[in-house]
Amino acid sequence: DVKVTQSSRYLVKRTGEKVFLECVQDMDHENMFWYRQDPGLGLRLIYFSYDVKMKEKGDIPEGYSVSREKKERFSLILESASTNQTSMYLCASTSGTFPYEQYFGPGTRLTVT
Amino acid sequence: LAKTTQPISMDSYEGQEVNITCSHNNIATNDYITWYQQFPSQGPRFIIQGYKTKVTNEVASLFIPADRKSSTLSLPRVSLSDTAVYYCLVGGRMDSSYKLIFGSGTRLLVRP
Repeated sequence: DVKVTQSSRYLVKRTGEKVFLECVQDMDHENMFWYRQDPGLGLRLIYFSYDVKMKEKGDIPEGYSVSREKKERFSLILESASTNQTSMYLCASTSGTFPYEQYFGPGTRLTVT
Repeated sequence: LAKTTQPISMDSYEGQEVNITCSHNNIATNDYITWYQQFPSQGPRFIIQGYKTKVTNEVASLFIPADRKSSTLSLPRVSLSDTAVYYCLVGGRMDSSYKLIFGSGTRLLVRP
């Protein structure tokens, strides 16, 4: 069965901390995505990666960076966490052949205090 | 860029057919339409995808009119376990770039 895992289900951090969210997929997918999900706003794309060391900005990249050193792992980095980054963060992956059937992880609920 | 609009919520009863419509007036020629289902504390799960006309799989049908400015997800004979949030996604891949626009979701409540 396909699997996307995220390092934490719940995370509480303080304003100004550097935060790392990790995502691992076991499907050998080329493409990986980071979204944030907020009530009433649906899912918004932060960054995506179509290959190792390759990344593209999504709709809301400000305040975030990403890293993809290995094909199976995609990390989201909050350089200096702020309270407006309190949200649910979802990672997804998809193959190059079927780019729209994304497989999502369970999400990380991040609270910045 | 395509913007997607969905009803905030819908109610239904077990055994009924449910149709959820998504409006995407500015859909681009190479955009696809995809629907996802999300339960609490889980990530969204792929349901169905289409480009035009009708697509059917074992769980749902997707109707897309000729102008592609809207799409309708049809769930036949819903059960209590279909209570979830349903998201419409419009977008696709252009070279190495993605344009992916999710709707804000429709909360479906199925009553016994």
